[in-house]
Amino acid sequence: QKEVEQDPGPLSVPEGAIVSLNCTYSNSAFQYFMWYRQYSRKGPELLMYTYSSGNKEDGRFTAQVDKSSKYISLFIRDSQPSDSATYLCAMSASGNTPLVFGKGTRLSVIA
Amino acid sequence: SQTIHQWPATLVQPVGSPLSLECTVEGTSNPNLYWYRQAAGRGLQLLFYSVGIGQISSEVPQNLSASRPQDRQFILSSKKLLLSDSGFYLCAWSLNSNQPQHFGDGTRLSIL
Repeated sequence: QKEVEQDPGPLSVPEGAIVSLNCTYSNSAFQYFMWYRQYSRKGPELLMYTYSSGNKEDGRFTAQVDKSSKYISLFIRDSQPSDSATYLCAMSASGNTPLVFGKGTRLSVIA
Repeated sequence: SQTIHQWPATLVQPVGSPLSLECTVEGTSNPNLYWYRQAAGRGLQLLFYSVGIGQISSEVPQNLSASRPQDRQFILSSKKLLLSDSGFYLCAWSLNSNQPQHFGDGTRLSIL
C-alpha cells in the first residue's frame, strides 16, 4: 500500500460548484497535513496547513483531517475557472521526517 | 517576507554534459532546503534535503549531487547528464521538517 493515495482525476466541474478533493494515507504517525495548488509550469503553492485532526477554513477553502479514518479533504466553495490546477496533498510525522506528497488531482472548472 | 529564487526557468542540455541548477532563499536564516524532481504522473520525488551548511541527505541514488555552500544557497549538479535526467526540478525551503515547504517556480530540464 502506498503511503499516500490521491485520485489523479481529471475532475471537471461547472463554475460555482463545490469541489471535494481527498487523500488517504497509511502511516498513523502523520500529524501535519498540507494542501498545495500547482498551476501548469509553476511550483506548488501552499493553500492550507493543519495539525492533527479537525477543520480549518480560509475563504472559499476548507481543509478537514480525520485521523481515525486516515483521510483528509479539501473543499472549494463557489469554484472559479482560476481554481483550475493540480492539487497536491502532503503530510509528515513529527521529528525530522520529510514531507510525503500525493501525486495530485487535476481539477478543471468550466465557465 | 521570505522569497525563493530558482534559475534558469528552462534548460536544454546534450547528453553527457554537466549541470548546475541554483536556488537561493531570502528573508530567513538556516532554512531546511530541498530538491525535488517532478515527472508527469509520478508526483514529486524528493532528491536531496539539507538542514544546514554542508549537510546533505540523499533520498535516492542518482546521477545527481547537491551542495549547500552558503546558508541560503542550494545547488543541484551533475557531471554527466543522462536522458533520464529530463524533468521538472523544484527547489523548496521550510523553517523545519514539520513546517510547510515553499517552492520556487522550477527548472524545466530537457536532455537531447
